[in-house]
Amino acid sequence: GEDVEQSLFLSVREGDSSVINCTYTDSSSTYLYWYKQEPGAGLQLLTYIFSNMDMKQDQRLTVLLNKKDKHLSLRIADTQTGDSAIYFCALDTGRRALTFGSGTRLQVQP
Amino acid sequence: DVKVTQSSRYLVKRTGEKVFLECVQDMDHENMFWYRQDPGLGLRLIYFSYDVKMKEKGDIPEGYSVSREKKERFSLILESASTNQTSMYLCASSPPTGIGEQYFGPGTRLTVT
Repeated sequence: GEDVEQSLFLSVREGDSSVINCTYTDSSSTYLYWYKQEPGAGLQLLTYIFSNMDMKQDQRLTVLLNKKDKHLSLRIADTQTGDSAIYFCALDTGRRALTFGSGTRLQVQP
Repeated sequence: DVKVTQSSRYLVKRTGEKVFLECVQDMDHENMFWYRQDPGLGLRLIYFSYDVKMKEKGDIPEGYSVSREKKERFSLILESASTNQTSMYLCASSPPTGIGEQYFGPGTRLTVT
């Protein structure tokens, strides 16, 4: 099956940029997603990228996709304390369900 | 505002008990999903359903079953709870053409003692 890997923890200072990385094994996904989970809540869809794109920008969020290396990243510019959460990448592998990574806990220090 | 609700936020059950976790969505979505979330393992798919009375096994269906008698309701059943089923359980729903556009409930933290 699909393997989706993320580092477990990232700590940044408020105002810095955060980069959360994700690597995967199956390259058949049409879309690749980033979800955010705030403390005590379920996940919410943050952004996504179509597999034929290299980059997508949405306000403070930039998604980069390197299909050759099977690497997806989420960059958050001007990181705020409200961005502290767990971030999951997820792939649609064609079985009518998503495969999620292990999640990266982002801690933003004031 | 779209909503997915789960019957309990916290649940404590004893080993061997039959446990029902209920999930209701008000968005008329065809697809519904049950995941469990464990530290360091992310979300793992237990079962999903793309229509009433339809179900498909996910990655870790052992020890679980599901029921979808009505479109808005998807139940997860632990036939005989065990301590290794202590976890956070998340329910989600999505429209038929938007598998990636999943809406999640707040989760049920189940402890089996």
